[in-house]
Amino acid sequence: NAGVTQTPKFRILKIGQSMTLQCTQDMNHNYMYWYRQDPGMGLKLIYYSVGAGITDKGEVPNGYNVSRSTTEDFPLRLELAAPSQTSVYFCASRDRGGINEQFFGPGTRLTVL
Amino acid sequence: AQTVTQSQPEMSVQEAETVTLSCTYDTSENNYYLFWYKQPPSRQMILVIRQEAYKQQNATENRFSVNFQKAAKSFSLKISDSQLGDTAMYFCAFMKVGSGGGADGLTFGKGTHLIIQP
Repeated sequence: NAGVTQTPKFRILKIGQSMTLQCTQDMNHNYMYWYRQDPGMGLKLIYYSVGAGITDKGEVPNGYNVSRSTTEDFPLRLELAAPSQTSVYFCASRDRGGINEQFFGPGTRLTVL
Repeated sequence: AQTVTQSQPEMSVQEAETVTLSCTYDTSENNYYLFWYKQPPSRQMILVIRQEAYKQQNATENRFSVNFQKAAKSFSLKISDSQLGDTAMYFCAFMKVGSGGGADGLTFGKGTHLIIQP
């Protein structure tokens, strides 16, 4: 199992550009999450999904969109990049039951200039 | 809403010493989980230990143990016989268990940067 994979690892955007951060998990987990981590801070929840076709907002959803068309994939879309979105983005997944552990991807470092 | 507070931005100890990282949280929930995550310079988030709120017994994982005080809403992490590889950011995190089984994600503290000196 590859676990949770994210692409790209690094990206620099110009203000106003758009991009999609990809996230894929191969553990057949129902729940998937997107977090952002600003310097010197803990992670904050952006969006989450409890299954294909179902998504909901987390603590900091403004400026982002998500979709969940399959169990495996949970892409995060930035439509109009702003410097405030400079951060490290983590995708995570969790099984519905089990030990309640969230498995994290390696993160994407995004810089908006 | 839940809040998690880690009051120690940075700690430094000598190798082989024991160190305790503090975490307090605020919630009105009765059913929840608490976690400690380690984030080394590689930035990968690694689960260290977890605690179910309904369990009174403190969780242990090898050199890592917690002191869970539910009434005080305190959840400290003790690392015994610290090693150079323990150098990392450590995050305390909260997850409520509701009708969705905690699907609404983790709430993190700001983290403690732990440095193990040789």
